Amino acid sequence: DVKVTQSSRYLVKRTGEKVFLECVQDMDHENMFWYRQDPGLGLRLIYFSYDVKMKEKGDIPEGYSVSREKKERFSLILESASTNQTSMYLCASSLHGGGGSGGYTFGSGTRLTVV
Amino acid sequence: AQSVTQLDSQVPVFEEAPVELRCNYSSSVSVYLFWYVQYPNQGLQLLLKYLSGSTLVKGINGFEAEFNKSQTSFHLRKPSVHISDTAEYFCAVTMMDSSYKLIFGSGTRLLVRP
Repeated sequence: DVKVTQSSRYLVKRTGEKVFLECVQDMDHENMFWYRQDPGLGLRLIYFSYDVKMKEKGDIPEGYSVSREKKERFSLILESASTNQTSMYLCASSLHGGGGSGGYTFGSGTRLTVV
Repeated sequence: AQSVTQLDSQVPVFEEAPVELRCNYSSSVSVYLFWYVQYPNQGLQLLLKYLSGSTLVKGINGFEAEFNKSQTSFHLRKPSVHISDTAEYFCAVTMMDSSYKLIFGSGTRLLVRP
């Protein structure tokens, strides 16, 4: 089974801190994604990457950046954390574009609280 | 543009009763359709998917969904639910082309009561 591993399940950071959320997948998937999940809003796409060193903005990229130096690792960076970035963050990967016939494989999520 | 609508934000149901979670989509091209489940404090897990062929697809944990092209719907059903089915369910769609993104609905919380 494909595994997507997010390094932290829970994280508490202070306003203004630079925050790194790490995601690693072990099945050589081309595409990786970062979503945030908030009650009543579902999943919203922050950034995605379809190849090493490639990135594309999703629907809500403001306040975030990403890094993909290796195929298996996709990092989400909060340049200066703010309280409105308190959320559940989900990483996902897929072999084909749009999930193709396989859909996405998700990590367990990181619940970030910014105080 | 694609969109996915899950009409019910929460569905309460008694244990062993049947349930249907509704999903409608909008797209100008053919689509792949998915249902995901999220248990508390976990990531999303693929329940089932429709790619082509038979419009009735079966997934894990006794769930099934029916694709209706004329009504642009992909409703999820289970004939008899268990307490352990309490979770949030997400419908998602992607175009059958080079699009990189799944578009998710806002989710339906299924609450199974004893």
